[in-house]
Amino acid sequence: EVQLVESGGGVVRPGGSLRLSCAASGFTFDDSGMSWVRQGPGKGLEWLGGINWNGGRIVYADSVKGRFTISRDNAKNSLYLQMKTLRAEDTALYYCARGDFYMEVWGRGTTVIVSS
Amino acid sequence: DIQMTQSPSTLSASVGDRVTITCRASQNISAWLAWYQAKPGKAPKLLIYKASTLESGVPSRFSGSGSGTEFTLTISSLQPDDFATYYCQQYDSFSLTFGQGTKVEF
Repeated sequence: EVQLVESGGGVVRPGGSLRLSCAASGFTFDDSGMSWVRQGPGKGLEWLGGINWNGGRIVYADSVKGRFTISRDNAKNSLYLQMKTLRAEDTALYYCARGDFYMEVWGRGTTVIVSS
Repeated sequence: DIQMTQSPSTLSASVGDRVTITCRASQNISAWLAWYQAKPGKAPKLLIYKASTLESGVPSRFSGSGSGTEFTLTISSLQPDDFATYYCQQYDSFSLTFGQGTKVEF
């Protein structure tokens, strides 16, 4: 069974940092592009960025460019999202997904709350 | 960035209804469009990719059509499990964008 499990969410103060992880199983991770998507409270889905199978192409949404960094470790079947200089508007449910064009499979998400 | 606009934002329907959701792109995206279903507390689900290709396991009452800048998602006979929010997403460029969503409610 294809499975994606996000972790690392929590409460962080404005200006702080957080690193999210996504553990993948049930498919050939190192053949797959991956993406991060978030959904703020009462809002729609927002694509944050994607990474191709070997990390050779990483693309970010303008809203997070320069603050968020996507990486992957194919040996650990894991995807990461390093977030810095967090703002209140970054409060959201963060999903990882298989695919860097369309998202074939999604995790259930991890919640990030940015609040003082 | 390519902007995606869905209509309507909210749709009231009943079980058995035929439902159509429209998604418009701000520029030509050929057929590089996907549709998703999202429900609170659950992982979003891919329904359709390349505008009209049904993802494996998705019921055949779902269909997609269109190309260029105008696309539709149709549910031929709405079922209780279909009350959800639906999103389109373009992947014509490396910078991906979603529509704002269409909530299908009773």
